Amino acid sequence: GAVVSQHPSRVICKSGTSVKIECRSLDFQATTMFWYRQFPKQSLMLMATSNEGSKATYEQGVEKDKFLINHASLTLSTLTVTSAHPEDSSFYICSARVLGTNEKLFFGSGTQLSVL
Amino acid sequence: GQQLNQSPQSMFIQEGEDVSMNCTSSSIFNTWLWYKQDPGEGPVLLIALYKAGELTSNGRLTAQFGITRKDSFLNISASIPSDVGIYFCAGQLPTSGTYKYIFGTGTRLKVLA
Repeated sequence: GAVVSQHPSRVICKSGTSVKIECRSLDFQATTMFWYRQFPKQSLMLMATSNEGSKATYEQGVEKDKFLINHASLTLSTLTVTSAHPEDSSFYICSARVLGTNEKLFFGSGTQLSVL
Repeated sequence: GQQLNQSPQSMFIQEGEDVSMNCTSSSIFNTWLWYKQDPGEGPVLLIALYKAGELTSNGRLTAQFGITRKDSFLNISASIPSDVGIYFCAGQLPTSGTYKYIFGTGTRLKVLA
């Protein structure tokens, strides 16, 4: 399957700081990437759809000024959690659409964010 | 956010037993994907389904795209200890231009040796 690389895998930061998470498609071009958030023992909740060269589309209830998404190239999307607070602590996962006759969705390995 | 209904929520089975889980929705989906997630990792794609009624296998795993396009099923035959984990279904909505996938609530599988 296609490889999606996500970094960092774990980050601890102080309240009020900003954290950037990178999601790269290593062996394919991804015009669309998705960002999910997952709380312990819960499912994945879609935060936003990241489209190369255009503004991200955020799901209802997700603050676009808090979670900045940039998809400047066909292989890289970034999620920046701005002015992080303890309630932003969560597992963040990116995914990328692999287009073709039969589309698939591949995931990165996730980023565990802990805000102190 | 939107989620698909997935059942059972959790299950404990003996090694060697078969496992069945399903996802249902009131919405129609274009594509169904099934994933397995281990703790602290991203989901790994197991099976992809694209047509109503489609039945696809991947080793001991078999999944089906429901005829109504509102549900999907995953079966695991002869379970082994490494099957333990959380299984998620994901459906792609046919809404034009969005391409987004909605995830099921998950089935937590524990295999007793």
